[in-house]
Formats: sequence, C-alpha cells, structure tokens
Amino acid sequence: GQQLNQSPQSMFIQEGEDVSMNCTSSSIFNTWLWYKQDPGEGPVLLIALYKAGELTSNGRLTAQFGITRKDSFLNISASIPSDVGIYFCAGHPANAGGTSYGKLTFGQGTILTVHP
Amino acid sequence: EAQVTQNPRYLITVTGKKLTVTCSQNMNHEYMSWYRQDPGLGLRQIYYSMNVEVTDKGDVPEGYKVSRKEKRNFPLILESPSPNQTSLYFCASSLQRGGTEAFFGQGTRLTVV
Repeated sequence: GQQLNQSPQSMFIQEGEDVSMNCTSSSIFNTWLWYKQDPGEGPVLLIALYKAGELTSNGRLTAQFGITRKDSFLNISASIPSDVGIYFCAGHPANAGGTSYGKLTFGQGTILTVHP
Repeated sequence: EAQVTQNPRYLITVTGKKLTVTCSQNMNHEYMSWYRQDPGLGLRQIYYSMNVEVTDKGDVPEGYKVSRKEKRNFPLILESPSPNQTSLYFCASSLQRGGTEAFFGQGTRLTVV
C-alpha cells in the first residue's frame, strides 16, 4: 500500500517551545489529516486539509497541505504538558479510485513528550 | 452522546478460535473502517465500508472479514486467529470519507496465544 513517512519519530521538548512535525509521501494525496492519540484512547482528529496549499489553524495548532500534494506539516506553538501524546498524519491517496476510494493511510506517528 | 463503541475492550484467545469484535456508531455515519495499531507501524487500515453492503480491503486485510448489514454496525471477524494478529484494533466512522467528523472507538486489545 501507500507509504507515509512521518518525522521525527519522537520529540522531547520543554514547555513553551514550538513543535514541528511533517509527513511525506512518494505519491500524491487528496486529503491530509492530523490526529492525536492519548494513552489508552483512540485517535482524535485535530485538523483536516483538502486542498493543495491550504493552511489551517486550530487553536495553537497549524497544519498545511503541501503544494506538491506529497507532504504536510503540523506545528504546535507554545507547547503545554497536555500536548503529550502520539501525533499521526493520515491521508487519502489520489490514485485510490473506484472501490479503493475509502482507503486511508497513516504515518508511523510522532511521540511528543513535554517537560514542564 | 456521539460515539463509536467497540466490544470487547480486551480479549485473550487461542489460535484458531473464531472471534468477532463488534463496532457500533450512533451518528448515522456512512463510512466506517477498521485499523490495527502496532508499535512503530502507526495505524494500518484493514477494511472499510462506504455504506451498507459496500465493503473493501484496506492495506492489511489478510486473515480478517467484515460485514455491513446495517449502517450502525461494522463487526470485524477473525475466522482463525493467529499470534501475528495480536494487536490493538480501532474502529472509526465518519460522515463521509475524510470528513472532519471522524470518530474513533476506544480500541480493542487482542492477544492471540
């Protein structure tokens, strides 16, 4: 299947610092999604991006759909302890036509640790 | 309350013993899907369903079956579980593919011995 390369794999930061993570693919995606997963919980959707170049914010979170449609980034500003968790990018591949329309591919995740 | 409910939350079973993990959503969503989560691999899609009686394979469908007889339910069936299916499983639903209202269940931790 499609591959999404998410980096970094993990981050250890101080409270108040800004965070940046990204996702890249060798193929084109129609949609980019960013999720956060807390321990013992299912992922929660943070931001959804539908158009190349789209820049969307959700509070301290900002994400962009890359112009090439092969990448996306997520920034978190002024991190706080409750930002701790695993962040996943996900996307719908552009070549998933017909009955493959519903395929959704996830990155490997970025584990974020915030030190108070 | 809008939610996706999976059962059971935890399950330990033996190789070859058929099992079903249920998933139900109360939001009248058309799109539902199943994922497995393994360390270092993120979430991988097993099967998805665009609507009642419409299902298709994700990236890792081998060893799994699904059915979508009703809009609210999307059970995951392991006909003959094997140890390599030990994993954390998530069901999800959304109004449409890639919709902003994407809800995940709490997860089912399955161990096959």
